[in-house]
Amino acid sequence: GDSVTQMEGPVTLSEEAFLTINCTYTATGYPSLFWYVQYPGEGLQLLLKATKADDKGSNKGFEATYRKETTSFHLEKGSVQVSDSAVYFCALGGGSYIPTFGRGTSLIVHP
Amino acid sequence: GAVVSQHPSWVICKSGTSVKIECRSLDFQATTMFWYRQFPKQSLMLMATSNEGSKATYEQGVEKDKFLINHASLTLSTLTVTSAHPEDSSFYICSNRGQGVNEQYFGPGTRLTVT
Repeated sequence: GDSVTQMEGPVTLSEEAFLTINCTYTATGYPSLFWYVQYPGEGLQLLLKATKADDKGSNKGFEATYRKETTSFHLEKGSVQVSDSAVYFCALGGGSYIPTFGRGTSLIVHP
Repeated sequence: GAVVSQHPSWVICKSGTSVKIECRSLDFQATTMFWYRQFPKQSLMLMATSNEGSKATYEQGVEKDKFLINHASLTLSTLTVTSAHPEDSSFYICSNRGQGVNEQYFGPGTRLTVT
């Protein structure tokens, strides 16, 4: 079946550091790929998405590129802030795909 | 983006009672809704998929008689946890997807505590 694998956390960084959270997927065909963010005690919010190969999703300084050849969708940000501390979920879905989430990666940013 | 509301946002109930959680799609008609369960510091576990006007499709291992899902209209789906037990305590999140829409929108979640 379809699956999403994320790097395990927590990821701990200092403010203004560069962030990478790795995500790879297994699926038949070409699903859409998503990154969601969950702040403590809240539901999930869509952070960015990409619907086809080589698409780059971006939002709030975060970026991720849909790489079909490596079946990856790594999340990056050039300079993290304390307010970026949250749990980040990589997911696949769209169309007829059953939405499938990774285990989530906790990001902790220190001042 | 689309707005999804859930009610209640948190609920405490006694063991053996039933709890109903509502999920509303506020600004578009959701033909498909999903119910997820999230344990502390873990990912979302899909419980069931419901399509308006038809029976829900439950994931393997989810008791359909315990977690009753009703999707009576394009804007409302309900999850009823029947005869709740402490192990049912969790964060329940609903999500909707409109026909042809290539993303999902999530409700804010309902924290259920069974004492």
